[in-house]
Amino acid sequence: IAGITQAPTSQILAAGRRMTLRCTQDMRHNAMYWYRQDLGLGLRLIHYSNTAGTTGKGEVPDGYSVSRANTDDFPLTLASAVPSQTSVYFCASSDFAGQGLNEQFFGPGTRLTVL
Amino acid sequence: AQTVTQSQPEMSVQEAETVTLSCTYDTSENNYYLFWYKQPPSRQMILVIRQEAYKQQNATENRFSVNFQKAAKSFSLKISDSQLGDTAMYFCAFMASQGAQKLVFGQGTRLTINP
Repeated sequence: IAGITQAPTSQILAAGRRMTLRCTQDMRHNAMYWYRQDLGLGLRLIHYSNTAGTTGKGEVPDGYSVSRANTDDFPLTLASAVPSQTSVYFCASSDFAGQGLNEQFFGPGTRLTVL
Repeated sequence: AQTVTQSQPEMSVQEAETVTLSCTYDTSENNYYLFWYKQPPSRQMILVIRQEAYKQQNATENRFSVNFQKAAKSFSLKISDSQLGDTAMYFCAFMASQGAQKLVFGQGTRLTINP
């Protein structure tokens, strides 16, 4: 069982370039999330999706977009990368049931450097 | 909006000692969940323990236990008989029980267990 996979593991990107971070889960979870981790700030939610076909904004959505065409995949796109988007990006998923506690499972992360 | 604060950026103890990590949060919600996540050098996010706010009894998981003080909005993590493998970043996190299951993280505490 793979759980959640993210690609690439790490990437160095020139400012102004477009980049898509990939996330795939095989647990058939209906909810998926993207967080960024920055030193001294912890993890912050960028976007989320409660079910395929729907998405929502998190705490820091500007400069990012997501899509949820199916249950398994939740790509995060940076349309025009800027140095402040240098971070470690985590994808997560959970079996969201509207109410009640469902553990979020995290992928291994993608380290992105924008120069 | 909810906020989570971890006031100890770094801590260091000797192996086999007991250590307590602090976490405070601010919310107007009455029902919610609190979590401690561990992030070892591998970068993987691992759920350590969770607490449901409506439960008065403090959660325990083997050597890990919490001191949940709802009125004070405090949620500390105690690690007993600390082991070298406990060396990691520890994040406190909040999730409201209603609506999307968005995690709000604290800044993190870097814990080092010395031999």
